[in-house]
Amino acid sequence: DTAVSQTPKYLVTQMGNDKSIKCEQNLGHDTMYWYKQDSKKFLKIMFSYNNKELIINETVPNRFSPKSPDKAHLNLHINSLELGDSAVYFCASGGRENQPQHFGDGTRLSIL
Amino acid sequence: QKEVEQNSGPLSVPEGAIASLNCTYSDRGSQSFFWYRQYSGKSPELIMFIYSNGDKEDGRFTAQLNKASQYVSLLIRDSQPSDSATYLCAVTPPGANNLFFGTGTRLTVIP
Repeated sequence: DTAVSQTPKYLVTQMGNDKSIKCEQNLGHDTMYWYKQDSKKFLKIMFSYNNKELIINETVPNRFSPKSPDKAHLNLHINSLELGDSAVYFCASGGRENQPQHFGDGTRLSIL
Repeated sequence: QKEVEQNSGPLSVPEGAIASLNCTYSDRGSQSFFWYRQYSGKSPELIMFIYSNGDKEDGRFTAQLNKASQYVSLLIRDSQPSDSATYLCAVTPPGANNLFFGTGTRLTVIP
């Protein structure tokens, strides 16, 4: 069974569109995350979320919004896509504080 | 100053040798340290984690932590071509759950 699963794996779309990426984890973890890996392969935290608190990296544009229908899901919605949004987006989940995080397979977003 | 710094490499070692990967971090209060391996086009995969000063061994991998020097390393013994990947050092800052990653060190093991 896949522990952290993301869909879609690839997403190709045009500038200005709105898109969503879905993430689900079956590890029973309390906290989920979204990371962005740019063309230089640098991984950077975007959001962390548990059932109590959403923590947003202040450098993330407000066009990006996480949505969590329940503890096992954290979706990423992006409005008005821009060329600079092209990257690989990874969802991750983790247990208690300081515990390792487990990553999904990533969603490669390409903006035309 | 970046929170986590790694030598980007590439680092090349012959098969069977010891590969040594190094990482420094800026926040002295950091408490959790992780090494992830990432193959090209794949997701980061947890290799080791360490919380206390000293060494932690798991198979061919040894993580070393020196909090006084704000330094964490990963040793890979008997390196294999399948170890060729990018190795990411990650640190949890105090009071937070998210990871700060270094830029990664690309390792190539030459048969």
